[in-house]
Amino acid sequence: EAQVTQNPRYLITVTGKKLTVTCSQNMNHEYMSWYRQDPGLGLRQIYYSMNVEVTDKGDVPEGYKVSRKEKRNFPLILESPSPNQTSLYFCASSRGADPYEQYFGPGTRLTVT
Amino acid sequence: AQSVTQLGSHVSVSEGALVLLRCNYSSSVPPYLFWYVQYPNQGLQLLLKYTSAATLVKGINGFEAEFKKSETSFHLTKPSAHMSDAAEYFCAVIKAGRRALTFGSGTRLQVQP
Repeated sequence: EAQVTQNPRYLITVTGKKLTVTCSQNMNHEYMSWYRQDPGLGLRQIYYSMNVEVTDKGDVPEGYKVSRKEKRNFPLILESPSPNQTSLYFCASSRGADPYEQYFGPGTRLTVT
Repeated sequence: AQSVTQLGSHVSVSEGALVLLRCNYSSSVPPYLFWYVQYPNQGLQLLLKYTSAATLVKGINGFEAEFKKSETSFHLTKPSAHMSDAAEYFCAVIKAGRRALTFGSGTRLQVQP
C-alpha cells in the first residue's frame, strides 16, 4: 500500500531534550516536506526537499533541522524543543520536484512542557 | 508574496444542501491552486487541483471548483452535502518561484441531518 508513515504518532517531551520525528514514504517520491498545523493558522511549511541531499527552508524553519540522505526518509529534528513548538506535525511527499499532488502522513502530535 | 484567504472558519449546511467554501488568492499571475480535505484525526487528502488547464475542475467525492481570474477566486462547491463531507477543508497555492505550498487557515464544514 502506498503510504507516508510517521513515528511517533504522539510525543510528550520536556524543553531542551532533543528529539527526532521520522518520516518515510514507499512511493519513490522525489519531493518531501514537513508542515506544522496550529489552530486558526492552517498548515505552515517548515522545510522541504526536492531530492536526496537537496533541502530548503519553508515559512517557519527556526528551531528545526532536516536531512535527506535517502530518498524514502526525511526526518525532522528538534535540537532543543521549546513549548512554542507544541503542535501537530505532518510529513508529505509528491512525485517530481514540485508539490503538485502531495500525499500526507497521519500526523505527529507533539507536546513540549 | 502569494497567499490564500478562506472566508469563514466554520460553515454549516443541511444534508442535501449546496456546499460553497470560499477561497481567494493574491497573485498577479495565475498560480497553481489546490483544495485539500482533512477528516478528523487524519492527514490531508487532495480533493482537486487547478494547473491552468480547464477553469472548472472536478475532484473526488463530487466536489468541483471554478477558477475565476477576474475575481481571483477558487471556490469549492458540491451540489448536495452528505454527512460524510463533514471535515476541514484547506485551499492552497504554490508560491511563484518556489517549490512550496501556502495553505489557507481552513474552513470546518459541519453537515446537519
